[in-house]
Amino acid sequence: GQNIDQPTEMTATEGAIVQINCTYQTSGFNGLFWYQQHAGEAPTFLSYNVLDGLEEKGRFSSFLSRSKGYSYLLLKELQMKDSASYLCAANSGYSTLTFGKGTMLLVSP
Amino acid sequence: GAVVSQHPSRVICKSGTSVKIECRSLDFQATTMFWYRQFPKKSLMLMATSNEGSKATYEQGVEKDKFLINHASLTLSTLTVTSAHPEDSSFYICSATRDAHVEDNEQFFGPGTRLTVL
Repeated sequence: GQNIDQPTEMTATEGAIVQINCTYQTSGFNGLFWYQQHAGEAPTFLSYNVLDGLEEKGRFSSFLSRSKGYSYLLLKELQMKDSASYLCAANSGYSTLTFGKGTMLLVSP
Repeated sequence: GAVVSQHPSRVICKSGTSVKIECRSLDFQATTMFWYRQFPKKSLMLMATSNEGSKATYEQGVEKDKFLINHASLTLSTLTVTSAHPEDSSFYICSATRDAHVEDNEQFFGPGTRLTVL
């Protein structure tokens, strides 16, 4: 079966750093995506990890450990516009994505 | 780029009517398109995988006779919600993958269609 776990909600203050964790159990695994989704909008791509390690892209970084079935998204220098839902999605093969329930991040002043 | 459009963006219909939602890849050919449904404050749930020129593959629990999917060309897939009922009210999102980038399998999402059934 497929199972993706991530926290439901997180709060942080502007300018801070926040780490959103994701654990996954899938019958196949080709990589791990992170998407950002604002309310009422479609998800937008943030990162894709295939190999173990940290991928840095501006204020956002994503980490993957395949042996542990674990990933995290790190957001630095938080801005108010970063308030959104962050979706972890495992690629279980043949382009099929299994999404977590999303982590709602609220950034306060 | 890899742009995916959906039409309409919002639709309100009466119970019992059918609604068609179009998903188009604007600047690339998409052999595979995906249809998702998302209820408020819930995650995306895959409904079906659509391949050009063949029948869609539906996820368990999704009624194929109620949610008709047609992938007639490499740039267009349609989802028809037949005999819609209020419980079908949801946010429907499509996505597409580019064949040239199968190694990363990134899905490009459309802007979504908000369906409200009265």
